[in-house]
Amino acid sequence: EPEVTQTPSHQVTQMGQEVILRCVPISNHLYFYWYRQILGQKVEFLVSFYNNEISEKSEIFDDQFSVERPDGSNFTLKIRSTKLEDSAMYFCASRDSNQPQHFGDGTRLSIL
Amino acid sequence: AQKITQTQPGMFVQEKEAVTLDCTYDTSDQSYGLFWYKQPSSGEMIFLIYQGSYDEQNATEGRYSLNFQKARKSANLVISASQLGDSAMYFCAMRVAFGGRRALTFGSGTRLQVQP
Repeated sequence: EPEVTQTPSHQVTQMGQEVILRCVPISNHLYFYWYRQILGQKVEFLVSFYNNEISEKSEIFDDQFSVERPDGSNFTLKIRSTKLEDSAMYFCASRDSNQPQHFGDGTRLSIL
Repeated sequence: AQKITQTQPGMFVQEKEAVTLDCTYDTSDQSYGLFWYKQPSSGEMIFLIYQGSYDEQNATEGRYSLNFQKARKSANLVISASQLGDSAMYFCAMRVAFGGRRALTFGSGTRLQVQP
């Protein structure tokens, strides 16, 4: 069964550094999402992407964040200057029209 | 704005018994979907079951069924014949079709522990 794949599985970064989280959505899916989950808390929506542009973003998704689909397969989340509170599990998800979202296994981001 | 409420932070169930995990939702949108996801201790999010707001039948997927009561705005997950591998966090989520947030809005989750 096709899967959403995320790399790396764990990223450790110094505060203030830039980090790029990578995702390969399921190939025929059209809608892409990033969510985050701070340890022990609920999953929170960050941003959705459709037709090569952001379709929706939450209040969490401020100017420090950006997303890109640099080629036909990858979908990336960049955090420009990481803060301690950015430490979380970041999930990428994708879906086809009127289908449930399928999640990747997540990237655990640890900011030191 | 839509909201999902899961009032049970933790639940215990004996192996082979059935368990119901509660979920209530709030939205003014008439067209929406309700989802349940399982998150084992390894951290991944696994899609379990989906119910559309216009579906007349309750959704079922193997041992999972969704008890959808639209008037009460509840979408409880029922797991029959619990197995040790069912021990995990379970999240209820919603997506609306028009207006509001079309990405998933999640509840705070219920941690289920299946006891032998």
